[in-house]
Amino acid sequence: LAKTTQPISMDSYEGQEVNITCSHNNIATNDYITWYQQFPSQGPRFIIQGYKTKVTNEVASLFIPADRKSSTLSLPRVSLSDTAVYYCLDTGRRALTFGSGTRLQVQP
Amino acid sequence: ETGVTQTPRHLVMGMTNKKSLKCEQHLGHNAMYWYKQSAKKPLELMFVYSLEERVENNSVPSRFSPECPNSSHLFLHLHTLQPEDSALYLCASSQDRMGNTEAFFGQGTRLTVV
Repeated sequence: LAKTTQPISMDSYEGQEVNITCSHNNIATNDYITWYQQFPSQGPRFIIQGYKTKVTNEVASLFIPADRKSSTLSLPRVSLSDTAVYYCLDTGRRALTFGSGTRLQVQP
Repeated sequence: ETGVTQTPRHLVMGMTNKKSLKCEQHLGHNAMYWYKQSAKKPLELMFVYSLEERVENNSVPSRFSPECPNSSHLFLHLHTLQPEDSALYLCASSQDRMGNTEAFFGQGTRLTVV
C-alpha cells in the first residue's frame, strides 16, 4: 500500500511563501500526486494534482522531480486563512487514503 | 458548497439508539465514500461504493451498515454504537473510484455517542 511521508507541522507568517515537501517512496508508475487541504470540522478540499514537472493553478504550485519520489506544494504569500492541514497522496490505484498530513499554522 | 450534502450536521445518540446518516450528490459521480475522522486523527476510509455496488469495506464493525440505493444517495445506518465511535463522519464522491479524479467532500456529520 502506497504511503507518503510529510512533516507533522509547519509554522509561517503572513505574506511568506510556504513549501511543504512530501516523500512518495512507493509511488507506482500510473499514480498521480494529489494534494488536499482540510480546515477544522470540514471535509478535505482538492488543491492540485500532477504527474511530473510543475503544475500551477490559482491556489498553489506543485513541483515533482523526474524520479517522482517526492513532491513540493508551494503556497505563495500565505494568509491566516491558509491555516489548515495539508495532505499529499499517491492516487490512481484505489480510493483516496489519507495519511496524517501537515498542520500549517500561519501567524500574523 | 461542494455539491455533496450531508445530513444531519450534528447528531447525539445513545448507545441503544438506531440512527442514519444521509449523503446526497447531484454531480453525476459514480463513486461515493464514507470516512471517519476522530479528534486530531487522520481520515479513515470506511466504505467505497462504485455504481451502487460496495467495492471496499475496510474492516468496519457491523454496527455500521452502509446503503447505496442509487448513485446519488448514500446512507450510513448506525446501531448500538460505542462512545469511541464519536467522530466526524464525512461523505465524499468522485467520478470514479480510482483516486485520480477529484473527490468532493461534504461538510460532515459530527456524531456524539453518549
